[in-house]
Amino acid sequence: AQSVTQLGSHVSVSEGALVLLRCNYSSSVPPYLFWYVQYPNQGLQLLLKYTTGATLVKGINGFEAEFKKSETSFHLTKPSAHMSDATEYFCAVRGRAHRGGSNYKLTFGKGTLLTVNP
Amino acid sequence: DSGVTQTPKHLITATGQRVTLRCSPRSGDLSVYWYQQSLDQGLQFLIQYYNGEERAKGNILERFSAQQFPDLHSELNLSSLELGDSALYFCASSVRVGDPKGTGELFFGEGSRLTVL
Repeated sequence: AQSVTQLGSHVSVSEGALVLLRCNYSSSVPPYLFWYVQYPNQGLQLLLKYTTGATLVKGINGFEAEFKKSETSFHLTKPSAHMSDATEYFCAVRGRAHRGGSNYKLTFGKGTLLTVNP
Repeated sequence: DSGVTQTPKHLITATGQRVTLRCSPRSGDLSVYWYQQSLDQGLQFLIQYYNGEERAKGNILERFSAQQFPDLHSELNLSSLELGDSALYFCASSVRVGDPKGTGELFFGEGSRLTVL
């Protein structure tokens, strides 16, 4: 079974400051990890994902995340916040396929609302 | 545009009623997932279908049911509606034909907002 904990339901930063959204996961198998973003009245859009290989993954809009197995973490960062980054972010985990590749549900954290102050 | 289409976008109904939400997955995707998003529960996985067969079940109430049709579209049926069923219902798809392991991510529709009065 998998679970995700997003530390901080609300994070506030100043424009131009570092963005750090925290995500810790629990998984009984090596995980696939994802960050999604949700803009108001829209569906979830993939920001980035970790599957295998390089543990530092880069996504869209200047975001990146680092998979740290020892810390069971997958924190999302962006060096410089922009006003357009203000919205909600979700971390998600999926276990590795073990049923012929057809069982891929994601387990989501409760989300972190990012506000960016001018 | 994710390629996943959900209808209706908004739905207002009364307690005790029944509604059907429809989802068309991305072209070629075999798997469809339903999620419920509410303020207090967050994003909750309801059910998954793969090529017409139920593959995983989450926190889906007995009053709710779903199916995936031969053309791969899916419907989520919600009956005996209660005030607490008011939420945003998302459909997502993944796993392209010929790519059984996929790249892992789900592609989400824009959701159907259900309001039960």
